[in-house]
Amino acid sequence: DARVTQTPRHKVTEMGQEVTMRCQPILGHNTVFWYRQTMMQGLELLAYFRNRAPLDDSGMPKDRFSAEMPDATLATLKIQPSEPRDSAVYFCASGLLWEQYFGPGTRLTVT
Amino acid sequence: DQQVKQNSPSLSVQEGRISILNCDYTNSMFDYFLWYKKYPAEGPTFLISISSIKDKNEDGRFTVFLNKSAKHLSLHIVPSQPGDSAVYFCAASGNNDMRFGAGTRLTVKP
Repeated sequence: DARVTQTPRHKVTEMGQEVTMRCQPILGHNTVFWYRQTMMQGLELLAYFRNRAPLDDSGMPKDRFSAEMPDATLATLKIQPSEPRDSAVYFCASGLLWEQYFGPGTRLTVT
Repeated sequence: DQQVKQNSPSLSVQEGRISILNCDYTNSMFDYFLWYKKYPAEGPTFLISISSIKDKNEDGRFTVFLNKSAKHLSLHIVPSQPGDSAVYFCAASGNNDMRFGAGTRLTVKP
């Protein structure tokens, strides 16, 4: 039963701290997406990779967010420094094209 | 800017009847459209998709219709079942971009 895994599932941190979220995509999927879901903005695409190369990160605040794929089995989303407005659920998804399989999300709370 | 809009935040239908969820988009560069279903505390689940070269795609109880001239798509669920109760997101992709609607919460009453 292949699925996307994300860690941690929940993270509470103080403003100014670094936050790293990890994602293991489904084996064989060549496209990995990062999304953020908030009540105000809904589901927003932050960045995505195809064959580990970043294709688009225009949805991501560049000054504090960074996304990487060090290898085909790991994608990371980092926020440094974190701010209260970053509080949201962050989803990773993987797929072969635009049909995506989502992970369970990381609920981030920045106090 | 909301390039993908789901104007109905919620919809309630009786079990066995048809559920129709609507979605409008503004960007003519979008050429592939998807519907996702989301239960609380879970990630969205892919449901069905349609390419802009088609106007209908059917998968079991789920049918998606695309009207390109009106920039409108809809998801029909028939017959609706209580287990279909969830938030449904439409998504549009094209030109290396993907946008989601705000979602419609469907409640199917037994």
